Formats: sequence, structure tokens, C-alpha cells
Amino acid sequence: KAGVTQTPRYLIKTRGQQVTLSCSPISGHRSVSWYQQTPGQGLQFLFEYFSETQRNKGNFPGRFSGRQFSNSRSEMNVSTLELGDSALYLCASSSSGRGFYEQYFGPGTRLTVT
Amino acid sequence: GQQVMQIPQYQHVQEGEDFTTYCNSSTTLSNIQWYKQRPGGHPVFLIQLVKSGEVKKQKRLTFQFGEAKKNSSLHITATQTTDVGTYFCAVSFSGSARQLTFGSGTQLTVLP
Repeated sequence: KAGVTQTPRYLIKTRGQQVTLSCSPISGHRSVSWYQQTPGQGLQFLFEYFSETQRNKGNFPGRFSGRQFSNSRSEMNVSTLELGDSALYLCASSSSGRGFYEQYFGPGTRLTVT
Repeated sequence: GQQVMQIPQYQHVQEGEDFTTYCNSSTTLSNIQWYKQRPGGHPVFLIQLVKSGEVKKQKRLTFQFGEAKKNSSLHITATQTTDVGTYFCAVSFSGSARQLTFGSGTQLTVLP
């Protein structure tokens, strides 16, 4: 099976702009989670989508949003970018089902805000 | 919010030495996962522990879950240069099973 793919891999934006990142999960995986990774804060959970519904949300401002499509592909959007939004954004997919689950991470999108 | 402490933050070992990283929580965990992230890479799932006192082994790696389900450890025997990377624990607190909270990670350097 192909792994999780994320596009674009690198992005440079200016403060105040908005950005959309895309994630294609492993075929058959219906859960997609997004994480922000920075040297200072580490890996932080943004949100999880399952069957087009946001199932869990982390402690991020409303400028961070996401959605999932019927084919399980997911996008996350960050509006009004701030310098502190510079980070590696990781998407992870997992199979559906009860209980806990291992997550398969994509290579990430490196976002730089100037 | 609920947090998990992971120590040490950094560890340098000589190739062949052992390595251990610890993950501690003040509250009971639903389960714990361990991930490895190579430099420039993304986290890769290693193992999941669910039961109190559980011990799992993967070749030179030994994973333990505490009896009270509040702590866990990852031990690597006779490290190799291929073990270089950052090891993260990721926990689920009871009641929010599908949301992972990651530890800060332990960055392992193996000197040849």
C-alpha cells in the first residue's frame, strides 16, 4: 500500500496570509489526524477527522481548521498566519475501529511564515 | 491540560551501550504508544501498550507499561548507529481515547 502523502512538502508564506495543506491517507484508512511539530512545543494534536466529521480537537485557535472529504482525503487551513505558525505539519492516518490505533504519519509539510 | 513528562531530553551513548527513556503521567493512562523519528523524518509507530504491567519486546527493544498505568519505559540493549533518532511516547488519557498527547521526546545520539 502507498503511504500517507502530504502536499506541498515546503511552503513559504507571509504573515496575514492563509494556507491550505493537503493529506491523502493510506487506502482504506478513514481517520486522519493533524499535528503541529515545533522545536519549542514538540508534537501537538490539532484535530482528527473520521468519515468527514471532526471527532476530536486540540487546543489551537479557530484560525486552524480542517475538513475531510468523502474519499478520506483531508485538508487543513490556517488563516491570518502568524510567525509562530512556522512548523512542520504532520498528517497521520489510521484504520477505523474501536479502541486505540497506531498512526501512520506522512512526511509533513514544512511551513515557514515570514 | 493533561501532560506527559518524558526524560531524558537528550542522551548520548557509545555504540554498544544500553539506552532507556521514560514517560511519566500524573493521571492514569488509557494506553501508550511509542514512536521513533529519524532526523529529517516523520514519526514511525513502534509499539502500543494497553495492559497494566505489560512488557513487550522487539529484538533489542523492550517496552514496559507500569502497574498503575501512569508510566512507561523503552529500553534499547546494545545500541547501534541505526538507533539514532528521537523517541516519543504518545499517550491516551482515559476518557479521550482517540486523542494522542505526545511526550517531548528523547533525542538519542549513538557514537560509533
